[in-house]
Amino acid sequence: EPEVTQTPSHQVTQMGQEVILRCVPISNHLYFYWYRQILGQKVEFLVSFYNNEISEKSEIFDDQFSVERPDGSNFTLKIRSTKLEDSAMYFCASTADTQYFGPGTRLTVL
Amino acid sequence: ELKVEQNPLFLSMQEGKNYTIYCNYSTTSDRLYWYRQDPGKSLESLFVLLSNGAVKQEGRLMASLDTKARLSTLHITAAVHDLSATYFCAVDYGGSQGNLIFGKGTKLSVKP
Repeated sequence: EPEVTQTPSHQVTQMGQEVILRCVPISNHLYFYWYRQILGQKVEFLVSFYNNEISEKSEIFDDQFSVERPDGSNFTLKIRSTKLEDSAMYFCASTADTQYFGPGTRLTVL
Repeated sequence: ELKVEQNPLFLSMQEGKNYTIYCNYSTTSDRLYWYRQDPGKSLESLFVLLSNGAVKQEGRLMASLDTKARLSTLHITAAVHDLSATYFCAVDYGGSQGNLIFGKGTKLSVKP
């Protein structure tokens, strides 16, 4: 069964460093999303992406964040200068009849 | 602003008992989702509810949607330990393939 994949599974970085989180959505899906979940809290929408551009973004998705589809399969989330409060699980999702979530990347900012 | 509220947030049940988790949302929406999350894991899709009166069942779980009341329920029948997890409802924020707004989740613990 096709699934959304994400790499790395865990990323540790120093405050102020740039990180790139990678996702491979399910191949015939057209809508892609990033969500984050701070430990023990609810899942929060960050951004949606369709037709090679952002279709909507939340207040969390400020100028430090960017998304890109560099090729036909990958979908990336970049955080330019990480802060301590960016520590969370980041989930990628893609949509057909429902949103399918990837396994997540745990980002730890020290 | 769309708000999604779940209750209860914590639920401790004995095996064999029945219980219902409630999900209220504040504005009109086309789709409501239920997800399961095990500790440290991703979100597993359980149900997608698309219309008023929709009811879906899978094993011991049954979900329903009342769009007029802006209420969805997830009913657990004869709970078993394997159902222990956190259950989230999520509402489609807008558009046919919209962004999801999640509730805070209900942490279910089923004890023998």
